[in-house]
Amino acid sequence: EDQVTQSPEALRLQEGESSSLNCSYTVSGLRGLFWYRQDPGKGPEFLFTLYSAGEEKEKERLKATLTKKESFLHITAPKPEDSATYLCAVRVLTGGGNKLTFGTGTQLKVEL
Amino acid sequence: NAGVTQTPKFRILKIGQSMTLQCTQDMNHNYMYWYRQDPGMGLKLIYYSVGAGITDKGEVPNGYNVSRSTTEDFPLRLELAAPSQTSVYFCASSYSTGDTQYFGPGTRLTVL
Repeated sequence: EDQVTQSPEALRLQEGESSSLNCSYTVSGLRGLFWYRQDPGKGPEFLFTLYSAGEEKEKERLKATLTKKESFLHITAPKPEDSATYLCAVRVLTGGGNKLTFGTGTQLKVEL
Repeated sequence: NAGVTQTPKFRILKIGQSMTLQCTQDMNHNYMYWYRQDPGMGLKLIYYSVGAGITDKGEVPNGYNVSRSTTEDFPLRLELAAPSQTSVYFCASSYSTGDTQYFGPGTRLTVL
């Protein structure tokens, strides 16, 4: 069975304190790994897609990396506005086409 | 572009009532999806559609129905509401099965 596990469940950082969020996966036939940001009461907002081990993508203070078993979302010098829940999802090839399996998310709080 | 829009934002239903959650996208996407999000759980796929007139079950379809008569609209129907259907419902769309899914703002449904 395809599994996606995110850690930690929750993370508190001081402004400027860099850290990483982890997304580990056990799937067959990976067709992409997605990172989304979700603010309270809002829908998930797309951040990155990674397709192969060694790939990296960056956007402002966020950098996503991918290995054969996990992905990291590195947050450099975070600001309070980076506070959100970060979701990881993997796309796998199934008999009915592609499907996304989501992790439960990491809730990030950045304090002044 | 408004992207993916959902109505209503909030709704309270009594057990046994029925309702339709509306979803519209203006990106000319072929694929549309319905997910539910429960506390501590990853997003779960309810139904999806690959184009007008074509729908298929996802992971948790019981108690729901969908239709897709146009490219833009993908309503989700609850026929006999049950407390287990209390959740936040998200609609999403993508151009193709391999593309990024873009999410709407969600509908928070409570069944009492």
